[in-house]
Amino acid sequence: IAGITQAPTSQILAAGRRMTLRCTQDMRHNAMYWYRQDLGLGLRLIHYSNTAGTTGKGEVPDGYSVSRANTDDFPLTLASAVPSQTSVYFCATPTGMNTEAFFGQGTRLTVV
Amino acid sequence: GNSVTQMEGPVTLSEEAFLTINCTYTATGYPSLFWYVQYPGEGLQLLLKATKADDKGSNKGFEATYRKETTSFHLEKGSVQVSDSAVYFCALLGLTGTASKLTFGTGTRLQVTL
Repeated sequence: IAGITQAPTSQILAAGRRMTLRCTQDMRHNAMYWYRQDLGLGLRLIHYSNTAGTTGKGEVPDGYSVSRANTDDFPLTLASAVPSQTSVYFCATPTGMNTEAFFGQGTRLTVV
Repeated sequence: GNSVTQMEGPVTLSEEAFLTINCTYTATGYPSLFWYVQYPGEGLQLLLKATKADDKGSNKGFEATYRKETTSFHLEKGSVQVSDSAVYFCALLGLTGTASKLTFGTGTRLQVTL
């Protein structure tokens, strides 16, 4: 793999179920981010991690949790999915302070 | 906190028309500025960037100049093509506390017709 890989690419999930969205990078970047993309709202930051072992809350963290056990992986978990979490989720990693971010291809999640 | 405001879409243009998508920002310090593009069904791709005041980013005929005095980073292209139809996001990368974070605008959908 090269860059960032997200899985699954899409998922339909029953409300109340638990779901983990996976994100793996092979660039050895320290920082990683999870965004959700909603029509008319752009991309909003859910959680971030500046380095392995640390995480922080973004703009819309409620209902989501993350972990960063190692540099490469940054899974996003919905403990009990609700319909308002229907969205497209993007994982990203910047190369440094003044450089661009690389994005995964996204996970389209529908909660019914 | 940091924020990015970009013009509402959708923007509909005829092929070969001139494009401007406005973007202004609010940030402390000296953020880096970016334009990302999202083609239908795909993730975000970096289009261009500028890391300091007066820098001009350019790529694929698109340009944007980092204007600190007006806190703007407007995207321009002299002659758009149908293949430019996409959603364009303005973004900044800056420090919030001790963390560097990307902040995005809401996106502007561009539709180019023949």
